[in-house]
Amino acid sequence: GAVVSQHPSRVICKSGTSVKIECRSLDFQATTMFWYRQFPKQSLMLMATSNEGSKATYEQGVEKDKFLINHASLTLSTLTVTSAHPEDSSFYICSATIGGRTGELFFGEGSRLTVL
Amino acid sequence: AQSVAQPEDQVNVAEGNPLTVKCTYSVSGNPYLFWYVQYPNRGLQFLLKYITGDNLVKGSYGFEAEFNKSQTSFHLKKPSALVSDSALYFCAVRDMRNTGNQFYFGTGTSLTVIP
Repeated sequence: GAVVSQHPSRVICKSGTSVKIECRSLDFQATTMFWYRQFPKQSLMLMATSNEGSKATYEQGVEKDKFLINHASLTLSTLTVTSAHPEDSSFYICSATIGGRTGELFFGEGSRLTVL
Repeated sequence: AQSVAQPEDQVNVAEGNPLTVKCTYSVSGNPYLFWYVQYPNRGLQFLLKYITGDNLVKGSYGFEAEFNKSQTSFHLKKPSALVSDSALYFCAVRDMRNTGNQFYFGTGTSLTVIP
């Protein structure tokens, strides 16, 4: 299957700082990428849909100014958690589809963010 | 709205026994259904999908799922469970009605295979 690389896998930061998470499609072009947040022992919460070259579409309740998403190329999308606080600590997962309306999602390995 | 439900938070099964992880769906139009598995602190791995065609879909690691339109179900099955199958399983539906084509996930079922 297609490979999605997510980096970093773990990050610890101080409250008030910003953290950037990268998501790359290694062997395919991803016109659409999705960012999810997962709380312990819970399901995935879709945060936003990221389309190459355009602004991300955020789900209701997700602060777009706090979770900045950039999809500058067909192989790279970034999520920046700005002015992070302890409640932003979570597992963030990116995913992408190859294209086509019946394609499955391919997931990155996730990024564990801990805000002290 | 499109949605899936996984009624069981936890499923325990003895090694070698058949396993079933349940999923029901609610969609407008034709359902595009998926199963994923997640190991601790990892991303999700695709197991199988149903788009159209045969109701019994075979996937990775010996898993299969049966699409049942009348019962709006898409249960995941495996004839003989392995300890290594212990993980978190997610059912998902893809919303094809809008340009975002988002995937929506169930709440997940934690499968424990007991040696």
